[in-house]
Amino acid sequence: DIQMTQSPSTLSASVGDRVTITCRASQSISSWLAWYQQKPGKAPKLLIYKASSLESGVPSRFSGSGSGTEFTLTISSLQPDDFATYYCQQYNSGTWTFGQGTKVEIK
Amino acid sequence: QVQLQQWGAGLLKPSETLSLTCAVYGGSFSGYYWSWIRQPPGKGLEWIGEINHSGSTNYNPSLKSRVTISVDTSKNQFSLKLSSVTAADTAVYYCARGGGECSGGSCYQEYFQHWGQGTLVTVSS
Repeated sequence: DIQMTQSPSTLSASVGDRVTITCRASQSISSWLAWYQQKPGKAPKLLIYKASSLESGVPSRFSGSGSGTEFTLTISSLQPDDFATYYCQQYNSGTWTFGQGTKVEIK
Repeated sequence: QVQLQQWGAGLLKPSETLSLTCAVYGGSFSGYYWSWIRQPPGKGLEWIGEINHSGSTNYNPSLKSRVTISVDTSKNQFSLKLSSVTAADTAVYYCARGGGECSGGSCYQEYFQHWGQGTLVTVSS
C-alpha cells in the first residue's frame, strides 16, 4: 500500500501569511495527487487535482506543485476562511489513500 | 449542479450490518465511479470502495471481506453494506463521485469531486 505523510500536522499562521503544506508518498505516484479542505462538521472540498490543477471555483491563492513522491500545497495569502484541515490524497492502480491531515490554526 | 444526499441508520450494535444509501441529483449517473469514504471521529479519511453504473466494484483490501456496494441505476442511487461492525467502524461515512479524465463516455476516478453531507454511524452496545 502507498502511504501518504503530511507535514506539519498542525500549522499556526496569521491572515496574510504564505502557507505551505507538504505531502510525501511512500512510492512514486507521478502526478496522481489531490488536495482537499475540510471544515468541522463538513465534507471535504476538492481544491487541487493532478498535483497542480485548480478545481473550478477555488480561489487562485491556492496552488499545488510536485510530482513523484513529494508534493506541496501553497496558500499565497491566508484568508480567514482558510482556517481548516487539509488532506492530500493519492490515486494509484485502483487504490486511494489520504494523508493524515494538516490543521491550519489561527496564530 | 451535482448533489449527493445520503441516509441510513446512525446507531448500531456490535455484529450488526451497517447500511447506507446515497442518491445523486443533477448531472449524469452513468459514466462515473461512485465511492464510499469514512472518517473516524477526530481522524483521517479512509476510502472504502467504489462502484460504477454497470455494477463493477472495487474494495479497499482491508475491508473487502465485510463490504458490499450496490447500485440502482433506475433511482440514481448506490448503497453500502458493512457487516459485522465493531466499535472500530464508528465514523462519519461519506458518499462521493469520482472525477478524472473522461473518454468514450466514461470517466476515470482519480479524485473525489462531489461529496454527500456525511452520516455519523456509531457502533455501541
